[in-house]
Amino acid sequence: RKEVEQDPGPFNVPEGATVAFNCTYSNSASQSFFWYRQDCRKEPKLLMSVYSSGNEDGRFTAQLNRASQYISLLIRDSKLSDSATYLCVVNTNAGGTSYGKLTFGQGTILTVHP
Amino acid sequence: DAGVIQSPRHEVTEMGQEVTLRCKPISGHNSLFWYRQTMMRGLELLIYFNNNVPIDDSGMPEDRFSAKMPNASFSTLKIQPSEPRDSAVYFCASIRAGGYTEAFFGQGTRLTVV
Repeated sequence: RKEVEQDPGPFNVPEGATVAFNCTYSNSASQSFFWYRQDCRKEPKLLMSVYSSGNEDGRFTAQLNRASQYISLLIRDSKLSDSATYLCVVNTNAGGTSYGKLTFGQGTILTVHP
Repeated sequence: DAGVIQSPRHEVTEMGQEVTLRCKPISGHNSLFWYRQTMMRGLELLIYFNNNVPIDDSGMPEDRFSAKMPNASFSTLKIQPSEPRDSAVYFCASIRAGGYTEAFFGQGTRLTVV
């Protein structure tokens, strides 16, 4: 089983739609969680961190369910510029240390069309 | 800050040749990651270092791959001998160790082995 699993999509949605991405992780000791965005032929960049209580940044909402080892990203009012690959990322700290192993999901491809 | 710097940006080499990829992390970051990205397998973690010490190299595909970090400002990933199946984009990322800290990626090296 992969450490971080995502539905690869692709998701094709019209402008203005709401779209949700899901991600599961296998290591219950994982401690921090993120969503990254990757544009075509570019490097991944941080979109937002995911906090236990859930967090929102404009049109983007991230949720974490530690019991189910599940992370989600909701995008409201999709824009053409949201078209990209969205990567779920899990940081699992080595025991007793402050540094961790960053593991990426395969990514979910989103295309927003007019 | 210049960000994470990788070189070369593109590399085309013949099968059997040695390839060396280079990475300069962001100053002050103490963890460095090497990833390989392909369409089929997504972003795979090859190896990561903390304070220049390799922590986990379980993702290195085989003995043909080796990585070093002789000091805090430089790391190399070497493939010897290279094979066509090594063709991919290789990313280096650095992070300041801790919980919810952002990983910054270089622009990647696009390797083609013919």
